[in-house]
Amino acid sequence: GAGVSQSPSNKVTEKGKDVELRCDPISGHTALYWYRQRLGQGLEFLIYFQGNSAPDKSGLPSDRFSAERTGESVSTLTIQRTQQEDSAVYLCASSLDGSGTEAFFGQGTRLTVV
Amino acid sequence: GQNIDQPTEMTATEGAIVQINCTYQTSGFNGLFWYQQHAGEAPTFLSYNVLDGLEEKGRFSSFLSRSKGYSYLLLKELQMKDSASYLCAVAGRRALTFGSGTRLQVQP
Repeated sequence: GAGVSQSPSNKVTEKGKDVELRCDPISGHTALYWYRQRLGQGLEFLIYFQGNSAPDKSGLPSDRFSAERTGESVSTLTIQRTQQEDSAVYLCASSLDGSGTEAFFGQGTRLTVV
Repeated sequence: GQNIDQPTEMTATEGAIVQINCTYQTSGFNGLFWYQQHAGEAPTFLSYNVLDGLEEKGRFSSFLSRSKGYSYLLLKELQMKDSASYLCAVAGRRALTFGSGTRLQVQP
């Protein structure tokens, strides 16, 4: 596609439910990132995929968070047993070839846990 | 790991020049990015430095000193639409890590 696409754009869920967020990167981009941005805060790194290398999961805040990527295409971020502190905008970005190339961001998924 | 510091907020006047500083510590360096983020929107790319020196692009310039772990973003001829958050991001061996961002308010 022309840009990074994320779905849903908004998600309201009840505390304790699982949610799945989707990211479609730009075609041909080998690198894909997930970030979390709480209101008025900076971007908190969650996970990084690069080609066929093992993902860098060092930013995942707890074992309730997981992410997968199918080859060099779609990625899903799953949050299990959601908590109110998980409420944030989840941003996905992709870049052509690793961290030293420009990252293009999707519009994000705004997650609200009630 | 990586540590990135930038001021939380800055205020400047329309038509003026403002410099936003960023200091970083990183294991492995693959370049430094500046992104702009308007409220409620996704970040958009402004500049990239991987070698020491100044990169100029229209009203925006970015400087890097690798030995000092220091960068700045210079915005000239400020416009009201420049009111936004400016994010410094360091490309390490693998991931791209962002600072907390500097919220710039441009006043008339």
